[in-house]
Amino acid sequence: NAGVTQTPKFQVLKTGQSMTLQCAQDMNHEYMSWYRQDPGMGLRLIHYSVGAGITDQGEVPNGYNVSRSTTEDFPLRLLSAAPSQTSVYFCASGPNGEKLFFGSGTQLSVL
Amino acid sequence: KQEVTQIPAALSVPEGENLVLNCSFTDSAIYNLQWFRQDPGKGLTSLLLIQSSQREQTSGRLNASLDKSSGRSTLYIAASQPGDSATYLCADGNNNAGNMLTFGGGTRLMVKP
Repeated sequence: NAGVTQTPKFQVLKTGQSMTLQCAQDMNHEYMSWYRQDPGMGLRLIHYSVGAGITDQGEVPNGYNVSRSTTEDFPLRLLSAAPSQTSVYFCASGPNGEKLFFGSGTQLSVL
Repeated sequence: KQEVTQIPAALSVPEGENLVLNCSFTDSAIYNLQWFRQDPGKGLTSLLLIQSSQREQTSGRLNASLDKSSGRSTLYIAASQPGDSATYLCADGNNNAGNMLTFGGGTRLMVKP
């Protein structure tokens, strides 16, 4: 089992560029989510999905888009990157209401 | 808005000690509470999950308790080892399915040989 796979592991963007962070899970989990982790701010929920075709906003959704066309994939799109989006991004999945499984993270720097 | 606090922020102990990590939350209407471990540069690994109807969960040398009325959870680590050195985070699930987690800031643990 690969678990939760995130790509890329590292990315450097210029302000205004767009990109997609990929997340895939092979455990047939209904729930998937994206968090960002910042020093002094902890982990904060960006967007989440409770099943294919269903997404909702978390605590800090501005500047990010998501879609969930399949159970396995939950990409996070940055439409126009800003320095404030420099962070470590984690994707997580799990059965609803059960333990979450996290990916290894994507370290993003926006210059 | 739910707030989750972890004290202390950092802890250094000699190998073999039993220790307790604390987690407090402001809204007692939680669905579940989860303890995670994070190693430097890595993702999070779920250690224990306590549903709101439960009082504690155990896994090996780890025991987590939940007291909703006082808004507190503790993670007890028995006979600590250098391999336990990591950051420990608690998070409460605060929607109907317990999926939307609010994280504490973490406790950075170092166990010295």
